[in-house]
Amino acid sequence: GAVVSQHPSRVICKSGTSVKIECRSLDFQATTMFWYRQFPKQSLMLMATSNEGSKATYEQGVEKDKFLINHASLTLSTLTVTSAHPEDSSFYICSARTTGANTGELFFGEGSRLTVL
Amino acid sequence: AQSVAQPEDQVNVAEGNPLTVKCTYSVSGNPYLFWYVQYPNRGLQFLLKYITGDNLVKGSYGFEAEFNKSQTSFHLKKPSALVSDSALYFCAVQGATNKLIFGTGTLLAVQP
Repeated sequence: GAVVSQHPSRVICKSGTSVKIECRSLDFQATTMFWYRQFPKQSLMLMATSNEGSKATYEQGVEKDKFLINHASLTLSTLTVTSAHPEDSSFYICSARTTGANTGELFFGEGSRLTVL
Repeated sequence: AQSVAQPEDQVNVAEGNPLTVKCTYSVSGNPYLFWYVQYPNRGLQFLLKYITGDNLVKGSYGFEAEFNKSQTSFHLKKPSALVSDSALYFCAVQGATNKLIFGTGTLLAVQP
């Protein structure tokens, strides 16, 4: 299957700093990528839909100025958690669907665990 | 609005026995249904999907799922469980919005 790479897998930062997480589709092009957040022992919560070359679409309740998403190419989307605070600590997972395949499965990255001290 | 319900937080089964992980959904229009598995501190791995056609869908690692439109269910099944099947399983539905919405997950524990 297609491969989605996420980096970094783990990051620890101080409160008030910003953290960038990268999501790359390694062997396919993805016009659309999705960013999810997962709290311990809970489901995945869709944060936003990242569209190549345009602004991301955020889900209700997700602060777009807090979670900056950039999808500059067909293989890369980034999520920047700005001015991170301890409550932002979570497991962030990106996913991508192959171009034009609305009925295909999503391919997921391995996730990035963010810990804000 | 689309939604997915996984009524069991945890399912316990002995190795070699059949297993079922339940999922029901609510969506307008024709549903696209998926099952994913997640191992600790990892991303999700695709198991199988139902888009159209045969109601019984076969997927990875010997898993299968049956789409039941009248009961709006898509239960995951396997005839003989392995200890290595122990993981967190998510059912997901994609509706007209093209977004994939996940259930709360079911922890499968297979005892040797």
